[in-house]
Amino acid sequence: ILNVEQSPQSLHVQEGDSTNFTCSFPSSNFYALHWYRWETAKSPEALFVMTLNGDEKKKGRISATLNTKEGYSYLYIKGSQPEDSATYLCASLSGYSTLTFGKGTMLLVSP
Amino acid sequence: DVKVTQSSRYLVKRTGEKVFLECVQDMDHENMFWYRQDPGLGLRLIYFSYDVKMKEKGDIPEGYSVSREKKERFSLILESASTNQTSMYLCASSLVQQNEKLFFGSGTQLSVL
Repeated sequence: ILNVEQSPQSLHVQEGDSTNFTCSFPSSNFYALHWYRWETAKSPEALFVMTLNGDEKKKGRISATLNTKEGYSYLYIKGSQPEDSATYLCASLSGYSTLTFGKGTMLLVSP
Repeated sequence: DVKVTQSSRYLVKRTGEKVFLECVQDMDHENMFWYRQDPGLGLRLIYFSYDVKMKEKGDIPEGYSVSREKKERFSLILESASTNQTSMYLCASSLVQQNEKLFFGSGTQLSVL
């Protein structure tokens, strides 16, 4: 089983703050890195699937970067809003395995 | 939009009961998955299936079985429910390529008393 680590475990910011989270994963046999947002009482929803080293993806105020050589990905939220409050999950896929999820980062954005 | 539907949002069962959790997807996805989510732990894969009648064990298959008789439906079966199977169960589906994103159902919170 791969070891996927996310930090911080939880985060509380004020509306308008920018924030970022880290996902670290084993870099050997890397295939893909997924980010999901899971709001309370809803289904987890895919944000990004990243495969290439140096890849950067953006969706509105949320962006992500990927470093497959050192085994980490950052998720950035610019100008956090209360509706960004959710648990953010990353998951790593290696060549001969299924997705392995981290424990998530719980974000709370206060108005 | 892809829709993954889980039959129950909340379920309460007694120890020893046989429990069926149903999942249906409407986008002709080949891959289907069952996960459980427990506080302080990441999503853990129980079973998955890449095709009809096909099933593979995930990381924590003990105490569970699955059935995939039709492409759109993937059932998780707890043969004899135990209290340590109290958890949030999530079903997901995806297209056949391994790096395709997952589409999740809204989850079933199962309590075994």
